[in-house]
Amino acid sequence: QVQLQESGPGLVKPSETLSLTCTVSGYSISSGYHWGWIRQPPGKGLEWIGSFSHSGSSYYNPSLKSRVTISIDTSKNQFSLELSFVTAADTAVYYCARADYGANSRYYYYNMDVWGKGTTVTVSS
Amino acid sequence: SYELTQPPSVSVSPGQTASITCSGDKLGGKYACWYQQKPGQSPVMVIYQDTKRPSGIPERFSGSNSGNTATLTISGTQAMDEADYYCQAWDSSTVVFGGGTKLTVL
Repeated sequence: QVQLQESGPGLVKPSETLSLTCTVSGYSISSGYHWGWIRQPPGKGLEWIGSFSHSGSSYYNPSLKSRVTISIDTSKNQFSLELSFVTAADTAVYYCARADYGANSRYYYYNMDVWGKGTTVTVSS
Repeated sequence: SYELTQPPSVSVSPGQTASITCSGDKLGGKYACWYQQKPGQSPVMVIYQDTKRPSGIPERFSGSNSGNTATLTISGTQAMDEADYYCQAWDSSTVVFGGGTKLTVL
């Protein structure tokens, strides 16, 4: 079955760039879907960061867009997140997820059907 | 920006029906999705496109969406259903999450 696994440093210094990678197994990311990132600060709710498809379409949370880059490496079946100029407010569990995105005769849909286990990132000096 | 509002908490007795609401302007004109998150675990999609259940999700989970409110209903609630639940919609090319509802089964 499809599995996603996040990896990256657990500690990042303020003003530096947070970099995470999501490795996908059981499905080729070049075959379709959107691939994205969501985070959850300690004790708080979910916040969507953004997503990217192999075809090049991408969407980002407007509040984070200026600091976020999401990229895809189809040769490694991985996708990555970079978040620049981090502060303590960026401390969170970061999840990667697969999203079924599209439109039918009614509306657009965006369903995150497979999630990684999450990785904790702390921003501190 | 678009907002989705959920009650912070809902309580239900075992075997009873739990209803968790999600409110947003003209939400009935969009698709709603629901996720269940248990402590220390990643979210799991339990309802998508308002009413559809992913494979492996028990039939006691159902959804509806009309007007300004989407509702997740859990029939015959079990202790294992105690979790945080988040609604989600797609608006203006972004994903919007509700603030989450803690379901307590007592």
